[in-house]
Amino acid sequence: QSVLTQPPSVSAAPGQKVTISCSGSSSNIGNNYAFWYQQLPGTAPKLLIYENNKRPSGIPDRFSASKSGTSATLGITGLQTGDEADYYCGTWDSSLSAGVFGTGTKVTVL
Amino acid sequence: EVQLVESGGGLVQPGGSLRLSCAASGFTLSSYWMLWVRQAPGKGLLWVSRINYDGSTTTYADSVKGRFTISRDNAENTLYLQMNSLRVEDTAVYYCGRDSWGSVDYWGQGTLVTVSS
Repeated sequence: QSVLTQPPSVSAAPGQKVTISCSGSSSNIGNNYAFWYQQLPGTAPKLLIYENNKRPSGIPDRFSASKSGTSATLGITGLQTGDEADYYCGTWDSSLSAGVFGTGTKVTVL
Repeated sequence: EVQLVESGGGLVQPGGSLRLSCAASGFTLSSYWMLWVRQAPGKGLLWVSRINYDGSTTTYADSVKGRFTISRDNAENTLYLQMNSLRVEDTAVYYCGRDSWGSVDYWGQGTLVTVSS
């Protein structure tokens, strides 16, 4: 029942780049900040990106994000084996008056 | 350092109740909205509930409305989630989170709730 759509999986070789899309609507991504989370296997999610494109301290600049209209995009460059995880976008939905998350994307390093 | 530590999870029968707690430290709890998010086994994240600074405003996902109650005790630096009339489909890891524009900036480690007979 997620209102934010992400590709189920993306993959690339070490050192390469991947992008993950998050498609929403005007009631969520279009008019609210987008957030991105990394969830390593067996652990709690961790904040990667806040307020569309800002990185918390400690997050390497290999992780970047942007937003355009009702979609957001996360990019990971210089892919490392430690980046293998599930990635989720999240935001507020003004119509639902509830938070929403994306369907999740599994990143595999080939 | 911001820390959120959940407790109170466990095994409960369908129709039963459970109260989750989330102990907050490293920041002033009363200055932040807080929320709960859950994740069923092998599934994605699902936003559950949100509470404002003093507990006067709360919102819930439709799937838990009328059964779950979020509350807080700022003096004790603790967030709560009272879960009643539990269903098998409520089985999940429950995370507390510090709210940021309706999403999360800090997450707890989670506590597992299993609803089964």
